Amino acid sequence: QKEVEQNSGPLSVPEGAIASLNCTYSDRGSQSFFWYRQYSGKSPELIMFIYSNGDKEDGRFTAQLNKASQYVSLLIRDSQPSDSATYLCAVPNSASKIIFGSGTRLSIRP
Amino acid sequence: NAGVMQNPRHLVRRRGQEARLRCSPMKGHSHVYWYRQLPEEGLKFMVYLQKENIIDESGMPKERFSAEFPKEGPSILRIQQVVRGDSAAYFCASSQGEGYTFGSGTRLTVV
Repeated sequence: QKEVEQNSGPLSVPEGAIASLNCTYSDRGSQSFFWYRQYSGKSPELIMFIYSNGDKEDGRFTAQLNKASQYVSLLIRDSQPSDSATYLCAVPNSASKIIFGSGTRLSIRP
Repeated sequence: NAGVMQNPRHLVRRRGQEARLRCSPMKGHSHVYWYRQLPEEGLKFMVYLQKENIIDESGMPKERFSAEFPKEGPSILRIQQVVRGDSAAYFCASSQGEGYTFGSGTRLTVV
């Protein structure tokens, strides 16, 4: 089992709809969780982090964490074409290095 | 406050040559992480360094790859005798707490 798993996509969502990105992780001891956005040919950019069970909202983005199910998700409301990118879920392991999922490619169609 | 600085942005090397990739962390950050990203793949951890110390090199290939972060100057990722399979984007990140800030990366092409 991979430490951090994501569906590679592509996930196609119409403009204005909600995009839902999912991630599962294997290390039950993980305490913090990150979502990065990576445009093609660019470096990853941190967009959300969450530590506690439940939801965390920041603008159009909501991160959801369920530690019992080892599941973290990212919701993007009112999707825009500029949201088209690869979204990377990232989880620090017990050795304090961050492990990245392989990413989900999101495409917002006008 | 400058971000994480990596250079060069693009590097072309012939098979068998050496590649040196440099990374200066954000001001005040003392932890540096190197990741490799192959085309259409995710980020793979290579090495974690603090000043003058390698903390975790579990992701480094056993041969030809080395990394350092001297007391003065940038962190260096060195690849000796490069092969075509080394062609990838190499990202450096720094941290002083939660989450990483990434540099713009070095895209290495081995011809």
